[in-house]
This record gives sequence, structure tokens and C-alpha cells, in this order.
Amino acid sequence: EDQVTQSPEALRLQEGESSSLNCSYTVSGLRGLFWYRQDPGKGPEFLFTLYSAGEEKEKERLKATLTKKESFLHITAPKPEDSATYLCAVQGGSEKLVFGKGTKLTVNP
Amino acid sequence: ETGVTQSPTHLIKTRGQQVTLRCSSQSGHNTVSWYQQALGQGPQFIFQYYREEENGRGNFPPRFSGLQFPNYSSELNVNALELDDSALYLCASRTGNGRHTGELFFGEGSRLTVL
Repeated sequence: EDQVTQSPEALRLQEGESSSLNCSYTVSGLRGLFWYRQDPGKGPEFLFTLYSAGEEKEKERLKATLTKKESFLHITAPKPEDSATYLCAVQGGSEKLVFGKGTKLTVNP
Repeated sequence: ETGVTQSPTHLIKTRGQQVTLRCSSQSGHNTVSWYQQALGQGPQFIFQYYREEENGRGNFPPRFSGLQFPNYSSELNVNALELDDSALYLCASRTGNGRHTGELFFGEGSRLTVL
């Protein structure tokens, strides 16, 4: 069964303090690993897709990387508006995405 | 471009009742999926519809059912509601098949409370 584990569950940073979020996964035949951002009371918003180990994607202060067992979401010099829950999901041999529980990021000014 | 819209945004039901949730997919998208998100959890896949046919289902009982209409809008029906059905129900749409099948566009969800 496909599984995703995210750590830490919650992370509190000061503005400008860089850090990384972890996503460990097990999946049969990875078709893609996805990062989403979810603000309170909203639906998830798509950020990145990674398809194979060694791949990297960047968007503003966020950079996602992928190995055969885990993915990292690096946040460089975060701002308060980066505060959100970050969800990781994998897609294996079926249509469904399997999500982790998310990491709740708080960035204090 | 209109995004994914869901209705109602909030509703309260009692155990044993039935509920219908509605979703209009993003313009140009013909595939709709539904997810259940309990408090503090990640979304869980319920099912997916492509061209009005269910083409994927998660570990949910048959009392969870759905429809997709010719205009690609969709409904989620839940019968015999249980307390554990209280959750945020998310609809997501995307274009057909191909490489980018995990890049979903989500609505803001319908918050269901079962008393």
C-alpha cells in the first residue's frame, strides 16, 4: 500500500530563517510526487511535480527535491505569507493521490 | 477562467440523513475527483470520474456515490450519514489523461458536520 509520512508535523520559523520539510514515501511504480500548499479553510493549491530521483523544481522561495525514498521542500528566507500547511502526495499505479498529513508552517515577523 | 466551485460551503446534518454535495469543474477540465479531509489529516481519495464514468475508487463504502454530468460538473452523495463522516469534502478537476494527472485544481470544499 502506498504511504506518505511528513515531518515535522509543525514548524515555527522566524522571518528569514531557512529550513526544510521532509516527505518520506513508499509507492509501487512512482508516477509522480506532488507538493501542495493549503491555507486554513481553503482547498490545496498545486506547487510542484517531481517525476524521478535527482529532479529539482523551484518557485520563488521554495525548492523541491526528490530521491528514491524521500522529497524535501526547502524554504529559503521565508516570509510570514509563506505560513500554511504543506502537503506531499504520491501517485503510483492508480488514479488516486495518496497524501501525507502535512507540515504546518508558521513564519513569525 | 473560472476555477473549481463547490456548494454548499457549510452544512449540518444528523446521523442517518443523506447529503448531496455539488462541484463545477474548472473550464476545460473533463476529469473530477473527490477527496475527504478530516481535521488534522491529509485528503483521502474517494473516487474519480472521467467522461461520466467512475474510473477509480478509494476505500470508501458504497453509501458514498457520485455522478458526473455532460458538462463535467459532479455530485457526491452520502447516504446513512455517520458521525465519522464529518469532514471537509474537496472536489478537484484536471484535464484528461497524460503525464500531469496529479496536478489537481481544488475547490474550497464543503464542510460537513454530522451530529
